[in-house]
Amino acid sequence: EVQLLESGGGLVQPGGSLRLSCAASGFTFNSYVMSWVRQAPGKGLEWVSAIDNSGAGTYYADSVKGRVTISRDNFKNTLYLQMTTLRAEDTAIYYCAKTEKYGTTWYGFVQDWGQGTLVTVSS
Amino acid sequence: DIQMTQSPSSLSASVGDTVTITCRASQSISTYLNWYQQQPGKAPKVLIYATSSLQSGVPSRFSGSGSGTDFSLTISGLQPEDFTSYYCQQTYRTPITFGQGTRLEIK
Repeated sequence: EVQLLESGGGLVQPGGSLRLSCAASGFTFNSYVMSWVRQAPGKGLEWVSAIDNSGAGTYYADSVKGRVTISRDNFKNTLYLQMTTLRAEDTAIYYCAKTEKYGTTWYGFVQDWGQGTLVTVSS
Repeated sequence: DIQMTQSPSSLSASVGDTVTITCRASQSISTYLNWYQQQPGKAPKVLIYATSSLQSGVPSRFSGSGSGTDFSLTISGLQPEDFTSYYCQQTYRTPITFGQGTRLEIK
């Protein structure tokens, strides 16, 4: 059974930093593209970032580019999201997501999600 | 960036009805379009990927169609558990983008 367990969320002041982690199990972690998707309270889904299976390719939403770094440790089966210069608008539940491929596409769809970790940016 | 516009933002219907939600991309995305359902307080669940492929375990009352810039999700014979939120997502080009969502409410 696929399990994705996020941690690291919490309350942080504007301008602060936070590192989210996602411990993965139940599948061959180093074979899958992984993503972070967030959802602000009462709002829709926002794709944040993705990383290819080797960690060499990283991709970001414009809203976080330059402030966020996605990484992975394929030996520890863990995905990370380092967030800096946090703003109030970064307040959201952050979901770790396992991405399935289909055909020749590198990014197919999200099949498995974590339970989410809440990040609150407030003074 | 590719903008995804869903319509309507909210929709009222009755159990047994057939409804259609549309999603328009700001440029052609071929068929790289997914649909997700999200129940309150839960993580999303994929319904349809690659425009029209039904994900395993998803009831056949859900169907998708389209190509290029215009796409639709149709739910035939609404069940009580279908009254929740739906999102489209394009994966043609990064940054990946979602539509703003459609809330399906019971009439």
